Amino acid sequence: DIQMTQSPSFLSASVGDRVTINCKASQNINRYLNWYQQKLGEAPKLLIYNANSLQTGIPSRFSGSGSGTDFTLTISSLQPEDVATYFCLQHNSWPYTFGAGTKLELK
Amino acid sequence: EVQLVETGGGLVQPGRSLKLSCVASGFTFNNYWMSWTRQAPGKGLEWVASITNSGGSTYYPDSVKGRFTISRDNAQNTLYLQMNSLRSEDTATYYCTREDDYWGQGVMVTVSS
Repeated sequence: DIQMTQSPSFLSASVGDRVTINCKASQNINRYLNWYQQKLGEAPKLLIYNANSLQTGIPSRFSGSGSGTDFTLTISSLQPEDVATYFCLQHNSWPYTFGAGTKLELK
Repeated sequence: EVQLVETGGGLVQPGRSLKLSCVASGFTFNNYWMSWTRQAPGKGLEWVASITNSGGSTYYPDSVKGRFTISRDNAQNTLYLQMNSLRSEDTATYYCTREDDYWGQGVMVTVSS
């Protein structure tokens, strides 16, 4: 199985900060990497698909980059409503596997 | 609007069975792979089953292979997850997902004596 190592596990930042979250795959997954946001008590919501494509309706402050084994989710200017846990998912090969998550809080 | 509504969760004893359902609306159901994903309390996410749009192929991780069966009824726009020989470690919120984009609100399954 492909292991997804996500970092950091916890992140505290201020409104307006640039925030980056990383996922590293244990083998090449091309660009088959999605990013999800999960707010407390809610289902995950797709933010970025195939490494760098913004899902419809998602604010442009969210962006994704990377290919192969190393991927990054960037929030260009943190907003209060971005407080959530963020997960990556590799869908290059079965079984699909998730990163452990990054809990993002406001400083 | 894409909607996925899961039902069938609850409290079940170890070793028993439970069947989850997910009714889909707002899209052409038989055009999409469907999956179940779960999240144990306070834990991360685990993809537990996928099925192709025709239902002809299914996929499971080793953790549930041989115990869980995913199926679908395209005429009824419904996805199922039959869970047998349940264990305490299967306790989780189970989400119905359309391929890898839309998720339902989830249904809680608790396996405990």
